[in-house]
Amino acid sequence: EDQVTQSPEALRLQEGESSSLNCSYTVSGLRGLFWYRQDPGKGPEFLFTLYSAGEEKEKERLKATLTKKESFLHITAPKPEDSATYLCAVQASKNYGQNFVFGPGTRLSVLP
Amino acid sequence: AAGVIQSPRHLIKEKRETATLKCYPIPRHDTVYWYQQGPGQDPQFLISFYEKMQSDKGSIPDRFSAQQFSDYHSELNMSSLELGDSALYFCASRPDRENSPLHFGNGTRLTVT
Repeated sequence: EDQVTQSPEALRLQEGESSSLNCSYTVSGLRGLFWYRQDPGKGPEFLFTLYSAGEEKEKERLKATLTKKESFLHITAPKPEDSATYLCAVQASKNYGQNFVFGPGTRLSVLP
Repeated sequence: AAGVIQSPRHLIKEKRETATLKCYPIPRHDTVYWYQQGPGQDPQFLISFYEKMQSDKGSIPDRFSAQQFSDYHSELNMSSLELGDSALYFCASRPDRENSPLHFGNGTRLTVT
């Protein structure tokens, strides 16, 4: 069964304190790994797609990397507005309907 | 840019009532997904449609049904509502292209009293 786990469950950082979030996955044939940001009461907002091991994507203070078993979301010099829940999701080859399996998320709080 | 539109934003129903949630995907997106998200939980896949046909089914209760119409909008029909159905319901759409991501609406918050 395809599974996605994320760690830590919650993370508190001071403004400017860089850190990384982890997404570990077990899938039978990865078609894509996706990172989303979700603010309270809102829908997940798409950030990145990663397709193959070794790939990296960057956007402002965020950088996502991918290995064969996990992905990291690196946050450099975070600001309070980066506070949100970060979700990763995988799309596996065997899912005919192409449904996406989400991890439980990491709740990030950046304190000023 | 156009986004996924969901209506209503908030809905309050009593137990055993019915509810209909609507979703209007991004133009030219032919695939629609429905997710249920409880407080502090990750989105749980309910059902998806491609070109107006059901493409996959997740943990959708038998009391729920959904369809996609000729204009690609989708409706989630929920009957015999239970207290445990209270949640945020998200619709997401994507074009049928390899590895294209889901784009989510801002959800419908359903409260069953």
